[in-house]
Amino acid sequence: AQSVTQLGSHVSVSEGALVLLRCNYSSSVPPYLFWYVQYPNQGLQLLLKYTSAATLVKGINGFEAEFKKSETSFHLTKPSAHMSDAAEYFCAVSDRGDTGGFKTIFGAGTRLFVKA
Amino acid sequence: DTAVSQTPKYLVTQMGNDKSIKCEQNLGHDTMYWYKQDSKKFLKIMFSYNNKELIINETVPNRFSPKSPDKAHLNLHINSLELGDSAVYFCASSQTANTEAFFGQGTRLTVV
Repeated sequence: AQSVTQLGSHVSVSEGALVLLRCNYSSSVPPYLFWYVQYPNQGLQLLLKYTSAATLVKGINGFEAEFKKSETSFHLTKPSAHMSDAAEYFCAVSDRGDTGGFKTIFGAGTRLFVKA
Repeated sequence: DTAVSQTPKYLVTQMGNDKSIKCEQNLGHDTMYWYKQDSKKFLKIMFSYNNKELIINETVPNRFSPKSPDKAHLNLHINSLELGDSAVYFCASSQTANTEAFFGQGTRLTVV
């Protein structure tokens, strides 16, 4: 069965600093991996996704993530944080479950704070 | 046009009541979901439907009953509401089960 671990429930960075949000997964088969962002009182929206093409994936708002199979990681980065990046970020993994159908599970989320 | 819309946005009700949350998507997707997000932001899938058929039914009390009249709609009915049901419920849809999901704005359910 697949699982997702996001290291750090809270991350705080200064405006202009590098953003690094960590995600490790376990999956018995090649997975599909996603990062979503949730702003206050809103639903989740897709930042980027990995679907077995390029290992470095670029998303919206300047975010990118690198799939590293050997480390089972899919960390999210952004070179320079902006105040508007403050939100909750979720890593998700989708693969074929025990019944053969795809199932997506989400990590516990990381709250990003951006200091002026 | 809103891609995934759910109503109501807020729902405050007393214990023991029965309530429904409606969801509609206009994206032409085949798969729809209900997720529950607790106060710590943990997101857990409850149900998944593909073309009106139930695909995933996680360990959810049978007081929760989803209904999909057509592939664009997935409603959630909850009987005998309990305090622990208080949460934000999200409807979502995706083209297939392994593609990205599009989420509604959520329904904040408060049981008093």
